[in-house]
Order: sequence, then C-alpha cells, then structure tokens
Amino acid sequence: EPEVTQTPSHQVTQMGQEVILRCVPISNHLYFYWYRQILGQKVEFLVSFYNNEISEKSEIFDDQFSVERPDGSNFTLKIRSTKLEDSAMYFCATPRGTRVDNEQFFGPGTRLTVL
Amino acid sequence: RKEVEQDPGPFNVPEGATVAFNCTYSNSASQSFFWYRQDCRKEPKLLMSVYSSGNEDGRFTAQLNRASQYISLLIRDSKLSDSATYLCVVNKGTGGFKTIFGAGTRLFVKA
Repeated sequence: EPEVTQTPSHQVTQMGQEVILRCVPISNHLYFYWYRQILGQKVEFLVSFYNNEISEKSEIFDDQFSVERPDGSNFTLKIRSTKLEDSAMYFCATPRGTRVDNEQFFGPGTRLTVL
Repeated sequence: RKEVEQDPGPFNVPEGATVAFNCTYSNSASQSFFWYRQDCRKEPKLLMSVYSSGNEDGRFTAQLNRASQYISLLIRDSKLSDSATYLCVVNKGTGGFKTIFGAGTRLFVKA
C-alpha cells in the first residue's frame, strides 16, 4: 500500500494562533484531499487540490483555511487563527493511480488540539 | 436527507456470524463507491471498492444498487479482528473531487 505521511502527529496550539499541517502524499501525485474528523464524529471533506489549484471545497473550508503545495512533494493545510472548534484529527489522502475518483489512501493524521 | 446515510449500530455479533451493513446516498450523479474501515483514533483504511456488478474479496461482499441508491456490505464468518467502524464512502458528482463519508456503522465481534 502506498504511503502517505503527515507531520506533526500531534499539534497543540493556543486559540488564535496559526497552524500548518503537512502531508507528503504518494510520490508525484497531482491530486490530494484534506479531511477533518472531530472526536466521535464522522470524517468530513474539507478540500480537494489538483495540480496546484483547489478543485472543490466544503462549507467548512472558509477564509481561515488555505492549502498550498510549497514544493514538489509537500502539501500543507494552514489554519490562520485557530478556534476551539478546530480541534480535530486532520487527514490528507491521495487516490490510487491517475483517476481522481479511485480509492484513496489516507495518512495517519494530525491531531490538532486548540486550547 | 443526509448525503450518505448509515445505520450507526452498534452491531454486536458472535464470532462466525454473518453481518450486513447498508448505506444510502442522495446524489444520483455519484460515480464511485467504497467501504472503508476505521479503528479507534486511526485513519480510514480501504476495505473494498463497490461496483455495479458487485464485488467480493474473501469474506467480504459489496453490492451497489444504483436505482435505489443503496450500497451494502456483507461480512461472513466474522472474526474478532473485524471489530471496527465501517464507513460508506461516495465520490460525489462526475468529477470525483468531493468525497462524502457516512457516519459509520460500529461493529463489535465477541468471542
């Protein structure tokens, strides 16, 4: 199974601070997704990113969120001013192969705790 | 109506039992369908894709009924290690850029 890595595994931050979550997906893949999962709730789609552009985003993905591909391999999710309700697991994922609607492989997630 | 709806369970079954999970989706334009499993505080892991012709992988069988917008997962001969949350996942629309998860069905297999 292809590997998707995420860093950090756990991030603790104060409310109002900026956080950057990092993902290294399957090598050279053009598509990736970000999801979040609040403890005890379902996995929620945040944004999909293709070839350095946002493809689609959910209503959760407001102006506080941004995604970037700062270099050829890393993808980042930035939350500008964290709120208590941003506390959740954040997963990145990429699809197998070249089709965007193929099954996705998920990273292990970053647990974000906002105090 | 929720975009992807599942019975939350929990299902409590003995080892060796057969258990079936159902899922409905609301967007008739959805193109691809999957079952994932998620262990506590872990990432979702692909269990199997779901095709119109059905899909079987060992003890697991998935079915898709596009007319009824219904997906099912059958687990035969349940093992203790099957205890997890099973997530029904739908790629919305033809572009496949948005993926919707059901809330999951919790399964406990007991000895």
